[in-house]
Amino acid sequence: KQEVTQIPAALSVPEGENLVLNCSFTDSAIYNLQWFRQDPGKGLTSLLLIQSSQREQTSGRLNASLDKSSGRSTLYIAASQPGDSATYLCAVYPDYGNNRLAFGKGNQVVVIP
Amino acid sequence: DAGVTQSPTHLIKTRGQQVTLRCSPKSGHDTVSWYQQALGQGPQFIFQYYEEEERQRGNFPDRFSGHQFPNYSSELNVNALLLGDSALYLCASSLWVSSSYNEQFFGPGTRLTVL
Repeated sequence: KQEVTQIPAALSVPEGENLVLNCSFTDSAIYNLQWFRQDPGKGLTSLLLIQSSQREQTSGRLNASLDKSSGRSTLYIAASQPGDSATYLCAVYPDYGNNRLAFGKGNQVVVIP
Repeated sequence: DAGVTQSPTHLIKTRGQQVTLRCSPKSGHDTVSWYQQALGQGPQFIFQYYEEEERQRGNFPDRFSGHQFPNYSSELNVNALLLGDSALYLCASSLWVSSSYNEQFFGPGTRLTVL
């Protein structure tokens, strides 16, 4: 059974600092990996989807890397802003064409003005 | 282009009751998946529907059932509600056709509280 772990569970950083969020998974035979943002009590907003053949994806201040062999992904958020305060969830796609996602518990981030 | 929509937004029920949650997929999508997210946890896969049939199921009891309609919208039904069923229920839509870019899009969720 695929287990997805996100460390740290919660963190606070001053505005302007870079954020580094880690995700690890036990079964390296995943296909795609996706990072989501979730505001309190709300649904999931997709941030980045790293396809099987890719090692990283970038969108604005966000960069996500994927190392399947070590079972790890990292989400970098540059120059954090108070609006980045949210929970960030990592999810893995188990194999080709199968989008039954396995999620971690999330990284709860607070950016202090 | 409407995204994934869910109704109702919030729901309060008592133990033993039954509840129905509804989801309309993103335009052009034909597959609907349901997830349960308890407080402080990541979403857990309940089941997935395509062509009006349940295609995959997670580790949830038979009290959880679903349905998909010809217009691809879907319902999640939970019978004999327990306190532990209190959670945010998320619907996700996608395309069934296998591809390397088979991304899921999530709705805003339905918050169910069981008293």
